[in-house]
Amino acid sequence: DSGVTQTPKHLITATGQRVTLRCSPRSGDLSVYWYQQSLDQGLQFLIQYYNGEERAKGNILERFSAQQFPDLHSELNLSSLELGDSALYFCASSVATQDYGYTFGSGTRLTVV
Amino acid sequence: GQSLEQPSEVTAVEGAIVQINCTYQTSGFYGLSWYQQHDGGAPTFLSYNALDGLEETGRFSSFLSRSDSYGYLLLQELQMKDSASYFCAVRGGGFKTIFGAGTRLFVKA
Repeated sequence: DSGVTQTPKHLITATGQRVTLRCSPRSGDLSVYWYQQSLDQGLQFLIQYYNGEERAKGNILERFSAQQFPDLHSELNLSSLELGDSALYFCASSVATQDYGYTFGSGTRLTVV
Repeated sequence: GQSLEQPSEVTAVEGAIVQINCTYQTSGFYGLSWYQQHDGGAPTFLSYNALDGLEETGRFSSFLSRSDSYGYLLLQELQMKDSASYFCAVRGGGFKTIFGAGTRLFVKA
């Protein structure tokens, strides 16, 4: 157990639907990062939050949004889902805003049918 | 833009040494890190280089040359459990940490 908790582990939903992925960072970590990993692909950076504020944004689609709450947990909302959104979504956390040493959760596998 | 390049696949024999290269192109640079990911698992942090030179952590070492925008991960005394994907990652401008596409390492008996 890495200390980063992601729920749910698996999600199957239909095209056009909306889902919410949840992440609780490791205790003491203030930064949360979201990454998307499609089949046999690398990790695509989506967005980073630090202590409730958006810190950096990657190639995140307009249909996707995220936020970090006062208790530091984060949610990634995916709407108008398409088949191509099927992927593993990882959340990672770190103490501050450093560029290394991220602790990853076990991921949410999203399947859009 | 920002990009990282690493080989897609490397195969080596148990007990051997293997080197996984990573070249990067970023608008800024804060350091090069490496992560390991087993099939179906989460990436785990292996090492980090902010300055030129070699960093050693047990059987794993990582090297960085900032002037060449190049680094590598060296795995010694390969074990079957080292079969996994290895990603290099760089934080460039805009506080974005970008990962390479990953190198799949196959360790053969």
